[in-house]
Amino acid sequence: AQTVTQSQPEMSVQEAETVTLSCTYDTSENNYYLFWYKQPPSRQMILVIRQEAYKQQNATENRFSVNFQKAAKSFSLKISDSQLGDTAMYFCAFMNTGNQFYFGTGTSLTVIP
Amino acid sequence: DVKVTQSSRYLVKRTGEKVFLECVQDMDHENMFWYRQDPGLGLRLIYFSYDVKMKEKGDIPEGYSVSREKKERFSLILESASTNQTSMYLCASSPEYSEDTQYFGPGTRLTVL
Repeated sequence: AQTVTQSQPEMSVQEAETVTLSCTYDTSENNYYLFWYKQPPSRQMILVIRQEAYKQQNATENRFSVNFQKAAKSFSLKISDSQLGDTAMYFCAFMNTGNQFYFGTGTSLTVIP
Repeated sequence: DVKVTQSSRYLVKRTGEKVFLECVQDMDHENMFWYRQDPGLGLRLIYFSYDVKMKEKGDIPEGYSVSREKKERFSLILESASTNQTSMYLCASSPEYSEDTQYFGPGTRLTVL
């Protein structure tokens, strides 16, 4: 079975600074997908960014980018120019070719004004 | 936009009661999922369904059952609620055979007294 590990239960960052959330996973598959989700306090979980394992290029979405290291099975999320609205729980997730998702335990990020 | 709705945001029930959590999606998605979210444990899959009247057990199905009589609706049933089922319950849906993400509902925070 696949496992997803987020080793940072809580993090904080000053507004306008950059923060990196770490995620590692374990799988024997070669083709899969990786996601970062954001769950703001009392609000719906939404997708932040996704990465296909067969693509070497790291995905970026505005201020959000990933560092995907397939050999190391690492998938970290970098948030640049942090904003107060980035305060949320962040979940890393793995999806196999059978459409099954596996989630990490989450990292609670607080952006400090 | 994909919309996934859940029948209640907050629910309080007593031990032994039968509890129904309803989830409806409006994007004709084949796949639907029920997770529970607990602090420090992330999201754990309870049940999922790839088609009408189909269901598959996830990682923690004990104490739960599901029903999918219509494509857009996926119900989670607690036959006899217990205090250890107090949790946040999240429903999600996704298209069939797609690398697309899952789309989440707002969640139902269930308290069993």
